[in-house]
Amino acid sequence: QPVLTQSSSASASLGSSVKLTCTLSSGHSSYIIAWHQQEPGKAPRYLMKLEGSGSYNKGSGVPDRFSGSGSGADRYLTISNLQFEDEADYYCETWDSNTRVFGGGTKLTVL
Amino acid sequence: EVQLLESGGGLVQPGGSLRLSCAASGLTFSSYGMNWVRQAPGKGLEWVSAISRSGGSTYYGDSAKGRFTISRDNSKNTLYLQMNSLRAEDTAIYYCASIQAGSGSVGWGQGTLVTVSS
Repeated sequence: QPVLTQSSSASASLGSSVKLTCTLSSGHSSYIIAWHQQEPGKAPRYLMKLEGSGSYNKGSGVPDRFSGSGSGADRYLTISNLQFEDEADYYCETWDSNTRVFGGGTKLTVL
Repeated sequence: EVQLLESGGGLVQPGGSLRLSCAASGLTFSSYGMNWVRQAPGKGLEWVSAISRSGGSTYYGDSAKGRFTISRDNSKNTLYLQMNSLRAEDTAIYYCASIQAGSGSVGWGQGTLVTVSS
C-alpha cells in the first residue's frame, strides 16, 4: 500500500511563491496523486490531479496561481503570488486497487 | 453545482451505533465512486471507506474493518455509513467525497461531527 509523506509546515511571504512536496513511498513512484486545500474551519477542497510526468488537471474554479509538477517519487504543488487566503492545510491523496491514502498535510503560513 | 450534504452525526456512547447519510445533488450520482473520510480534532485526513459506482464493491481502512459498513442507494442519490461498536477514537468530522476515476476525491461535503463519549 502506498504511503505519502509531507512536511508538517511551510511558510512564505505575501506575493511570493511556495512549493509544497508530497513524496510517494518506494515502489509507488508512478502513482497519480490529488492535491486538496483545507482552509481553517472548512471542508477540504479539490485542487488538482497530478501525474508522475508532471501533467496536471485542476478542479473547477482553482486559480491559475496553483500549478503542479513532479520528479521521480516527488509531487509538487506550487502556489505563485501568495495571498492571505492561501493560508491553509494542504493534503495529497493517492489510491490503489482497494485502498486510498492521504498524506499528513502541510500547514502553510503566509507571512 | 455539485452538493454533498452529510447528516446523522451526533453524540453517542462508547459501544453505540450511528448511521451517517450523504445526500448528493448536481451530479450523476451513479457515475461516481464515493468515499468517507474523517478528521479527528486537530488531526489530518484519514480515509475510512469507499464504494464503487454500482455499490458492488466496498473497501475499508483498518480502523473501519469489521465495525463500519458503507452502502449506497443510487435511486435516492444517497451514500451511507453504518458505524457500530463506536470508540472514543472514532470521534471526528466525517466527510463524504465523490471519486472521479483517476482523479481522486473531486467533491467534498461540509462534514458531520461524530462524538463518542460517555
